[in-house]
Amino acid sequence: EVQLVQSGAEVKKPGESLKISCKASGYSFTSYWIGWVRQMPGKGLEWMGIIFPSDSDTIYSPSFQGQVTISADKSINTAYLQWSSLKASDTAMYYCATFSLVGATSRFDYWGQGTLVTVSS
Amino acid sequence: SYELTQPPSVSVSPGQPASITCSGDKLGKKYICWYHQKAGQSPVLVIYQDNKRPSGIPERFSGSNSGNTATLTISGTQAMDEADYYCQAWDSNTVVFGGGTKLTVL
Repeated sequence: EVQLVQSGAEVKKPGESLKISCKASGYSFTSYWIGWVRQMPGKGLEWMGIIFPSDSDTIYSPSFQGQVTISADKSINTAYLQWSSLKASDTAMYYCATFSLVGATSRFDYWGQGTLVTVSS
Repeated sequence: SYELTQPPSVSVSPGQPASITCSGDKLGKKYICWYHQKAGQSPVLVIYQDNKRPSGIPERFSGSNSGNTATLTISGTQAMDEADYYCQAWDSNTVVFGGGTKLTVL
């Protein structure tokens, strides 16, 4: 059974750094992309980026390029999303999900439970 | 950048069919997938590659894609189908989500 288990909720102050995680199990971690998706309170889904854990090839959404860093450690089947300096506007639920990309077809197959990040002074 | 447009809301009576549209330039030349997200839960894939259902998704969910519009259809809508629905495509090395449609079953 494919499972993506995300790290717990975080409460941070503006300017602080943060790294959240997504641990995968039940499939070959290095064979599929993993993506990150933001959902601000009461809003829709926003794609942040994807990473291919086998070689760490990463594609960022232009909206998030330079704002976050996506990484993966294939030795422990875990993907990460990190910020160096949080802003109040980073307050959101963050989801990781496996991403299948074959030619022109794409989909997020399996989703984590989400990590709620709250940034407040 | 590529954009996908969905109606903000759709209402349907129980047992009736519901259709949710997703529009984009020449969308029929791309592959679309659909997710639903119930309140307080993670999104779930319900249709991929325009019209394929993942294992475990009921047959009442179907999809089509032609011209500039993709459509998710739920035949015999049930109260449990009340959720937000999002379309998604891949364009120029970018994942694109529609803005989402709130389906209300009343």
